[in-house]
Amino acid sequence: QKEVEQNSGPLSVPEGAIASLNCTYSDRGSQSFFWYRQYSGKSPELIMSIYSNGDKEDGRFTAQLNKASQYVSLLIRDSQPSDSATYLCALISGDSSYKLIFGSGTRLLVRP
Amino acid sequence: KAGVTQTPRYLIKTRGQQVTLSCSPISGHRSVSWYQQTPGQGLQFLFEYFSETQRNKGNFPGRFSGRQFSNSRSEMNVSTLELGDSALYLCASSLPSGVDDEQYFGPGTRLTVT
Repeated sequence: QKEVEQNSGPLSVPEGAIASLNCTYSDRGSQSFFWYRQYSGKSPELIMSIYSNGDKEDGRFTAQLNKASQYVSLLIRDSQPSDSATYLCALISGDSSYKLIFGSGTRLLVRP
Repeated sequence: KAGVTQTPRYLIKTRGQQVTLSCSPISGHRSVSWYQQTPGQGLQFLFEYFSETQRNKGNFPGRFSGRQFSNSRSEMNVSTLELGDSALYLCASSLPSGVDDEQYFGPGTRLTVT
C-alpha cells in the first residue's frame, strides 16, 4: 500500500464548477498535510497547508482534513481553465519531521 | 522576496560521469531539501539539511550526496551517473528551525543522462 494515495485522473470539470480532489494516507502519525499544484514542465507550487481536523479556506481553495478517516481533500470553487494542472497531496512523515511524502498526483482538466 | 533558485536549469551528462547541482534557498530559510521527480516514481525525497547538517536521508544509493554551506546554500552531487538518474531534481527551502514548516520549491534542474 502506498503511503499517499491519489486518483491519477484526469478529473474533468466545466469552467465555474467545483473541483474536488481527494487523498488518503496510511501513516496515522502524520500531522501535517499540504497541497501543491504543478503545471506541466514546472515545479510544484504550494497551495495550502493544513494541520488540524476540519476545513481551511484560502480564496477559491478549501482544504479538508479528517485524521480519523486518514483523508485529505482540496476543493476548488469556480474552477478556471488556468486551474488545469496536476495536484499533489503531500504529508510530513510521522517518523520524520523533515521529509515530505507525495502522492502521485491528480490531473485536473477544466473545460472552458 | 526572491524565490528558491537552482542552477543549472538543464544538464546533459553521459553514463559514468558525475554532476553537481546547486540550490539557493529563499532569504532567511535555513532548511533545504532535495527531491527527485520521475514519471515512473513521482516525487521522492533525497535528503534534508539544516545548519550544515544532514537531518534525514531518503532511500537512494550512496552515489547521491549533498552538503549545505554556512550561508544555507546547498549542493547535491551524483557520482557514476546511470541512465535511470535522468530526472527533474528539485530543491525546496523552509523557514529556520521548527518542524513541519511549509516547503517552497525551486524551478528544478532537468538532468538527462545518455
